[in-house]
Amino acid sequence: GAVVSQHPSWVICKSGTSVKIECRSLDFQATTMFWYRQFPKQSLMLMATSNEGSKATYEQGVEKDKFLINHASLTLSTLTVTSAHPEDSSFYICSARDGGQGYEKLFFGSGTQLSVL
Amino acid sequence: GQNIDQPTEMTATEGAIVQINCTYQTSGFNGLFWYQQHAGEAPTFLSYNVLDGLEEKGRFSSFLSRSKGYSYLLLKELQMKDSASYLCAVLDSNYQLIWGAGTKLIIKP
Repeated sequence: GAVVSQHPSWVICKSGTSVKIECRSLDFQATTMFWYRQFPKQSLMLMATSNEGSKATYEQGVEKDKFLINHASLTLSTLTVTSAHPEDSSFYICSARDGGQGYEKLFFGSGTQLSVL
Repeated sequence: GQNIDQPTEMTATEGAIVQINCTYQTSGFNGLFWYQQHAGEAPTFLSYNVLDGLEEKGRFSSFLSRSKGYSYLLLKELQMKDSASYLCAVLDSNYQLIWGAGTKLIIKP
């Protein structure tokens, strides 16, 4: 099956620093990528949808200036958490839709656990 | 508003059968997914239903009734490794995935 690579798996940073998370589709072109956040014992919460070459669409309540998303190519999307604070500590997961397949072909990265001290 | 309901937690015995239900109210419907998620890991795809009926895949089966806004995931011959959260998600008319809160399944020996 298709593979989505997400890095890093684990990040510990000081409050006020910025953290970049990468999401790559390794063997398919991802026209659409999704970024989720998941707090302990809660379900996935969609943060934003990014389409290659255009601005990301953010969900209500998600600060686009704080969570910068770049989808510059068909295989790479990045999420940058700017000026991270302890409340941003969470599990971040990306998923990518294989543009050549139906909507059921959605593949997830392995996730990034962010801990902000 | 859009809503997906599934039980918060279920407990079952190794070797037994368990059914996890999911009901939904969404703006349009383009399919329903079941994902498995172990603690600290990303979700993994289990099934996709877009037509009414039962889809069987090994020990796991998924059922859909669009008229009732209802689905269930059936797990047979439970194994300890099946202990995980099971997420129900619906693709709405805008092709946005609406996620349920997940059902934590605890398997006891």
